[in-house]
Amino acid sequence: GQSLEQPSEVTAVEGAIVQINCTYQTSGFYGLSWYQQHDGGAPTFLSYNALDGLEETGRFSSFLSRSDSYGYLLLQELQMKDSASYFCAAYKAAGNKLTFGGGTRVLVKP
Amino acid sequence: NAGVMQNPRHLVRRRGQEARLRCSPMKGHSHVYWYRQLPEEGLKFMVYLQKENIIDESGMPKERFSAEFPKEGPSILRIQQVVRGDSAAYFCASSPGGTTIRELFFGEGSRLTVL
Repeated sequence: GQSLEQPSEVTAVEGAIVQINCTYQTSGFYGLSWYQQHDGGAPTFLSYNALDGLEETGRFSSFLSRSDSYGYLLLQELQMKDSASYFCAAYKAAGNKLTFGGGTRVLVKP
Repeated sequence: NAGVMQNPRHLVRRRGQEARLRCSPMKGHSHVYWYRQLPEEGLKFMVYLQKENIIDESGMPKERFSAEFPKEGPSILRIQQVVRGDSAAYFCASSPGGTTIRELFFGEGSRLTVL
């Protein structure tokens, strides 16, 4: 089977840094993606890690450690518009399928 | 350049009726995925299709649910004899295919309410 664990909720103030951890148990694991979803909206792609290390895209960075079955999404210089749910998703090569975690709701306060 | 188009955005059905949800993938994309999302929960994989083929339906309930992606026209997720537990947001996503899915492109979802 496949499972991804991430915290259910994180609260922070504008300008702060938030790290959302994701641990996974996935046979045939190939890579880890992150998606953002605002209330009532569509999930949108943020980042993808297939190799160990840090990928930086503007204020958002994502990290993967395959040996630890662990990754995280780092949100820097938080803005009010970053209030949303963030999902990690494991890509399994066999079957070409993404399996999503339960999501972390990030609430940014003034 | 249109993204993934889903319709209807909102659908209300009474118990026992049928629901049909449509998804047109992004231009040039031949792979379609359907996910279901309950309030405050993650996205649960339902089915993965390519044109005229069901590749993986391991997340589909065995009864009442079916999906297709015909050679022409949108992909359709069909729910027969709906029950209250079917109330959820159903998201369609597409990708161009290939050996690695780096990114899925999601539609805005169809929100089904069963009375």
